[in-house]
Amino acid sequence: AQSVSQHNHHVILSEAASLELGCNYSYGGTVNLFWYVQYPGQHLQLLLKYFSGDPLVKGIKGFEAEFIKSKFSFNLRKPSVQWSDTAEYFCAVTPTGTASKLTFGTGTRLQVTL
Amino acid sequence: SAVISQKPSRDICQRGTSLTIQCQVDSQVTMMFWYRQQPGQSLTLIATANQGSEATYESGFVIDKFPISRPNLTFSTLTVSNMSPEDSSIYLCSVARTQNNEQFFGPGTRLTVL
Repeated sequence: AQSVSQHNHHVILSEAASLELGCNYSYGGTVNLFWYVQYPGQHLQLLLKYFSGDPLVKGIKGFEAEFIKSKFSFNLRKPSVQWSDTAEYFCAVTPTGTASKLTFGTGTRLQVTL
Repeated sequence: SAVISQKPSRDICQRGTSLTIQCQVDSQVTMMFWYRQQPGQSLTLIATANQGSEATYESGFVIDKFPISRPNLTFSTLTVSNMSPEDSSIYLCSVARTQNNEQFFGPGTRLTVL
């Protein structure tokens, strides 16, 4: 079975600071990878996804993530965060070829201060 | 993407009672799932709702406790039976258009059991 680790549980940044949230997964085969975001009071939204091809994936709102297969990692980055990026971020993985068995990490709460 | 609605959005229930949560999608989808997000924790897959057949449950979840129906390709229900305070959680419905597509999540149902 697969598992996902998110190392940062709570991150506090000032506006304009750069962001990198760690995500590592454990699974023996090929995977699809996702980052979801949950803004305060809103439902879970897909931020970006990796299925195959270019390991550097660009998502909405200026976010990107890089899949490094040798490190089993899929870290989320943004060069300059905004106050509106305050949210909880979840990394998730599923074996390639199926949208089921989506396994989530424990989430990282990002707080951006003015 | 898909527009997903859930009813009720929240409820407070007494121990020993049951609650049925509805999930409605604005278009036909192949896959529908039910997740639980306990306070301060990540999302855990309860089961895959299969149209016209019994749901597929994950380890630790059983049909007697969480019966699921899926009468068609746009609707599913999850019942939380014989509730206890430990069932207090957010219950989320998600959908995927095909078996190898990303999942989109509903707004969730916040359940409190007294």
